[in-house]
Amino acid sequence: GAVVSQHPSWVICKSGTSVKIECRSLDFQATTMFWYRQFPKQSLMLMATSNEGSKATYEQGVEKDKFLINHASLTLSTLTVTSAHPEDSSFYICSASPTSGTKYNEQFFGPGTRLTVL
Amino acid sequence: AQSVTQLDSQVPVFEEAPVELRCNYSSSVSVYLFWYVQYPNQGLQLLLKYLSGSTLVKGINGFEAEFNKSQTSFHLRKPSVHISDTAEYFCAVTPRNAGNMLTFGGGTRLMVKP
Repeated sequence: GAVVSQHPSWVICKSGTSVKIECRSLDFQATTMFWYRQFPKQSLMLMATSNEGSKATYEQGVEKDKFLINHASLTLSTLTVTSAHPEDSSFYICSASPTSGTKYNEQFFGPGTRLTVL
Repeated sequence: AQSVTQLDSQVPVFEEAPVELRCNYSSSVSVYLFWYVQYPNQGLQLLLKYLSGSTLVKGINGFEAEFNKSQTSFHLRKPSVHISDTAEYFCAVTPRNAGNMLTFGGGTRLMVKP
């Protein structure tokens, strides 16, 4: 149980284009989803916290207009990297916390999306 | 605010040897503690967690960790490692009353050699 999927698993795009990454909780409802960015051989950096039906809360230094987050339902959050540039290339990981139940205090992680911007 | 320090960025060890990955944290409030494992190009998988109760926590794949409140530590151990344990390991904490926001340590790369 508590499975989170991400799509796509990897994407290559040209500089200036926009890329959308989906994060889905497959077998539970998630009021809160988190988006992380991970550089090679580094830890996860929290980008934003996404709550269903409301605006995302971005961490300091993360550009809201660059990284658009939508959490339209209790099982889906999307991250859109707008006008992507090579410096946006990274591994993006989402996680989700169950709305209720015994595991409500945990985050369950997706498999990640490798973004490469040429 | 919380902070997590993983004292070793890399830990090389021979197969079947014991291993300990160290984690220390700082927090002004009570926290829950977690260890995650990340295999190359994959997301994070929960190894174990400490919420309350017994300070010795057993997780998956033969790992265990001990919460030491006085030393603010949560070290991860395995008595005998396997080649397949080669991965990145992350320690993380979240305040008990703060909506699941995780603070991660820098990670420790466990390299198991034959």
